[in-house]
Amino acid sequence: AQKVTQAQTEISVVEKEDVTLDCVYETRDTTYYLFWYKQPPSGELVFLIRRNSFDEQNEISGRYSWNFQKSTSSFNFTITASQVVDSAVYFCALQETSGSRLTFGEGTQLTVNP
Amino acid sequence: EPEVTQTPSHQVTQMGQEVILRCVPISNHLYFYWYRQILGQKVEFLVSFYNNEISEKSEIFDDQFSVERPDGSNFTLKIRSTKLEDSAMYFCASYSNYGYTFGSGTRLTVV
Repeated sequence: AQKVTQAQTEISVVEKEDVTLDCVYETRDTTYYLFWYKQPPSGELVFLIRRNSFDEQNEISGRYSWNFQKSTSSFNFTITASQVVDSAVYFCALQETSGSRLTFGEGTQLTVNP
Repeated sequence: EPEVTQTPSHQVTQMGQEVILRCVPISNHLYFYWYRQILGQKVEFLVSFYNNEISEKSEIFDDQFSVERPDGSNFTLKIRSTKLEDSAMYFCASYSNYGYTFGSGTRLTVV
């Protein structure tokens, strides 16, 4: 059965600090997809990234970067030089086959203080 | 950029009443979903819909729930007799090989 674990329930940092959000997943499939979503206080789910299990290259998008380590079943998310607007709940999610359900982690509440 | 549209954004209903939540998925997507998020908790899968029928459902999706795609564009979730514990944010989503897009959600409050 698929499972996603986000062990950090809450993280609080000061603006301009770097912060890493951890995500560990379990799946028996060899092909799967990993996602990160941001949920600001307004409640919507904002798509950040989708990663195919065959693509282990790290990805950088502006201040955001993702580290995919298949050997440890982890897909961690780093925000560099955090800003107050980064304050949100961040969810990691797993999709085992194309078109199937997403299994979400419990989410990490990130608070960036000025 | 294409969007998934959900209406209404907020709905308050009395316990025991029927509610219908509406969604317009992205037009060329083939898979449609409903998810639920109880306040402060994680997002949970309810049901997926493909080729005009339910392709998968969770244990949460019991006989109280039903989904329909009544025309070529709308995708609805019906809760027949709402309970207090149905209070949650309900998200619609649609999927293609290029992405998994969520609507902005309907906040349902059962009183």
